[in-house]
Amino acid sequence: AQKITQTQPGMFVQEKEAVTLDCTYDTSDQSYGLFWYKQPSSGEMIFLIYQGSYDEQNATEGRYSLNFQKARKSANLVISASQLGDSAMYFCAMREGLGGSYIPTFGRGTSLIVHP
Amino acid sequence: EAQVTQNPRYLITVTGKKLTVTCSQNMNHEYMSWYRQDPGLGLRQIYYSMNVEVTDKGDVPEGYKVSRKEKRNFPLILESPSPNQTSLYFCASSLTTDTEAFFGQGTRLTVV
Repeated sequence: AQKITQTQPGMFVQEKEAVTLDCTYDTSDQSYGLFWYKQPSSGEMIFLIYQGSYDEQNATEGRYSLNFQKARKSANLVISASQLGDSAMYFCAMREGLGGSYIPTFGRGTSLIVHP
Repeated sequence: EAQVTQNPRYLITVTGKKLTVTCSQNMNHEYMSWYRQDPGLGLRQIYYSMNVEVTDKGDVPEGYKVSRKEKRNFPLILESPSPNQTSLYFCASSLTTDTEAFFGQGTRLTVV
């Protein structure tokens, strides 16, 4: 079973609109961390945002916010006011506690295209 | 400048010819790791290391070796490459398990 599931292979959004990229995870650990990374067409991996399992508030970084719903094991990325430069692949990742490796496991990614 | 440096960026090799992809970080990070990225599969863990001389297998370690003799370096070794190891490889490092991972630029390997 996949530990990280990203059900949207591709998403389209109009410039300046908000978009939500879905991510669900599977772990039995109490302590874990959730990450989102962006990979533009140039190929580099860019860190966007982090949420710890014990953090009570949703993480935010500029236009990025992580909608963390622990009971549903959901960690969706919300990008507000989309820009053309947001067009990229987006990966959700999870670092588990004692039950897994201590480096993130990645989902298969969602390709986001922002239309002008 | 804080960075993770991988070399080479591109490599075409033949089946069975041993190769090494180097990875070096200048941030004094404890954790280092190797991933491979294949279309539709995301990034998959190959090996990782939490400190010098401490390495662990990830999800797809078969056909790969690593070593961590110094904190800054974490080379990936393919003793006998095969075509199914054609992929995009990333090295990453992080200070802790809950801080961002810094990724190298990637190495695109083709095994023919």
